Amino acid sequence: GAGVSQSPSNKVTEKGKDVELRCDPISGHTALYWYRQSLGQGLEFLIYFQGNSAPDKSGLPSDRFSAERTGGSVSTLTIQRTQQEDSAVYLCASSPPGTTAYNEQFFGPGTRLTVL
Amino acid sequence: AQTVTQSQPEMSVQEAETVTLSCTYDTSESDYYLFWYKQPPSRQMILVIRQEAYKQQNATENRFSVNFQKAAKSFSLKISDSQLGDAAMYFCAYYGPGAGSYQLTFGKGTKLSVIP
Repeated sequence: GAGVSQSPSNKVTEKGKDVELRCDPISGHTALYWYRQSLGQGLEFLIYFQGNSAPDKSGLPSDRFSAERTGGSVSTLTIQRTQQEDSAVYLCASSPPGTTAYNEQFFGPGTRLTVL
Repeated sequence: AQTVTQSQPEMSVQEAETVTLSCTYDTSESDYYLFWYKQPPSRQMILVIRQEAYKQQNATENRFSVNFQKAAKSFSLKISDSQLGDAAMYFCAYYGPGAGSYQLTFGKGTKLSVIP
């Protein structure tokens, strides 16, 4: 079946502009995660959605970052007033129900964001 | 907070030979999961192998196996009969359900090159 998809694949923007990154999880997956991967670094957790529960936003680095998940499926990560340090690959992952015990996550190909 | 350390930024191996990637972690939890993910140039993270901390037997998946030393908090990945397609970034990750968060904590990765 189809995996996690993300769009756009690459995004170049100017400092100060807002950007929206989209994630389509695998159908039926109830959990959705956003991570940021800066150059030469591992993945940094940003936010976690589980069904209709309130999201875990503990990883968002500033109030310029926000995310929503509509209808328990598609998610959008929004970065307002982008800064050069926001340049990174943004990865989305989803998990099927019943796997929270061992947290099997399926990743998308990511969006490479470049802020000029 | 949990931390994951990969002390080898880069490794290389001759095709058909064996290579071992190192990972150490820090946690106060007794029950947790450890993972190795592969990230090829396509950016998509692929789960290679998973180890449950309460299982003493080391996990294996075909040419991939781990050496899990719980007391030493060490979790190394051994790749046998290395193939050109094994060239990628490898990330070690930790998940502790008792921590109340569903995020994966990643190391900074090891870039593996396979020499023909």
